[in-house]
Amino acid sequence: QVQLQESGPGLVKPSETLSLTCTVSGVSVSSGDYCWTWIRQSPGKGLEWIGNLYPRGITNYNPSLKSRLTMSLVTSKNQFSLRLTSVTATDTGVYYCARTYVRGDHEIDFWGQGTLVTVSS
Amino acid sequence: DIQMTQSPSSLSASVGDRVTITCRASQNIGNYLNWYHQKPGKAPKLLIYAASSLQSGVPSRFSGSRSGTDFTLTISSLQPEDFATYSCQQSHTTPWTFGQGTKVEVK
Repeated sequence: QVQLQESGPGLVKPSETLSLTCTVSGVSVSSGDYCWTWIRQSPGKGLEWIGNLYPRGITNYNPSLKSRLTMSLVTSKNQFSLRLTSVTATDTGVYYCARTYVRGDHEIDFWGQGTLVTVSS
Repeated sequence: DIQMTQSPSSLSASVGDRVTITCRASQNIGNYLNWYHQKPGKAPKLLIYAASSLQSGVPSRFSGSRSGTDFTLTISSLQPEDFATYSCQQSHTTPWTFGQGTKVEVK
């Protein structure tokens, strides 16, 4: 059974770095059938795609976040991570990690439960 | 970026009703359109992919269609567990973008 679970601090100070980890079970993060995706949802707003991470380390980031964003795989732990620097209050929201099936139309077919990150001093 | 304009933003319906939600893309995205629903405090769940393909395990009362850059999600007979927020998403061009969501509420 596929499961994804986000973990990381729930509170980050402005100008600091937000770091989140997604632990995956039931499928290998090295599988060529999938890429690994981060999405966020700000309070009262719609969903925002953050970026994709492919098994060979190839990344595809939202240009609005690209200068502050790093995504990486930790294959030994079957995890992937997100690092967002210089955060502001606009980075507050629920962050989801997810699996995207790349053999089809790139549909996001499994999501984690989400973790709330608040940027505040 | 490709804009996804979803309508309505909310609707009220009763169990058994036929419900239709529309998403319009700002440019051609082919069939690269997915539909999700989300309940409060829960993760989004994939319902329809590639505009009209039903995700495994999703009830057949859900269906999707495309006409040009207009996409429609239809629930043929609304069930109690279907009261949720529905969002469309295009996976044609990065950055992937989502509609603003449609909240389906109890009438």
